[in-house]
Amino acid sequence: GNSVTQMEGPVTLSEEAFLTINCTYTATGYPSLFWYVQYPGEGLQLLLKATKADDKGSNKGFEATYRKETTSFHLEKGSVQVSDSAVYFCALRSNQAGTALIFGKGTTLSVSS
Amino acid sequence: GAVVSQHPSRVICKSGTSVKIECRSLDFQATTMFWYRQFPKKSLMLMATSNEGSKATYEQGVEKDKFLINHASLTLSTLTVTSAHPEDSSFYICSARTGKDEQFFGPGTRLTVL
Repeated sequence: GNSVTQMEGPVTLSEEAFLTINCTYTATGYPSLFWYVQYPGEGLQLLLKATKADDKGSNKGFEATYRKETTSFHLEKGSVQVSDSAVYFCALRSNQAGTALIFGKGTTLSVSS
Repeated sequence: GAVVSQHPSRVICKSGTSVKIECRSLDFQATTMFWYRQFPKKSLMLMATSNEGSKATYEQGVEKDKFLINHASLTLSTLTVTSAHPEDSSFYICSARTGKDEQFFGPGTRLTVL
């Protein structure tokens, strides 16, 4: 079945450091790929997405590129801020309409000033 | 984006009692809602898919008699944990799908069974 694997956390960085959170997936066909963020005490929010190979999703300085050849969707940000501290989830959804998102285990990011 | 609410945000109950959690789409109609369970330091596990006016579809390993799901209207789905036990303690999150096939999440409900 479909699954998502993302790097174990926690990831601890200083402000303005470069961030990479690795995510790989297993799926049949051509799924859509997502990154969600969960800030402390809040619900999941969509951060960015990509729906086909070589697409790059971007938002709030975060980027991820859909790499079909390596089945990866790594999240990157060039300069993190304290306010980026949160749990980040990589997710996929099959191309069948109406199917649910399948999530990775989440990676906790802690940024200190 | 679209707003999804959950009630209650926290609930503590005694073992053997039943608990109902509500999920509402506040500014859109959701023909499909999803229920997830989030374990400490673990991913969100999809429990079931709830379609308005029909029976929910449960994922493998999820007891349908224990986790009763009702989707009586286009803006409301409920999850009832029946005869709750301490191992049912968890964070339950609902999600609603818009007509554009986007998925929005509620803030979650923390269930603690004593």
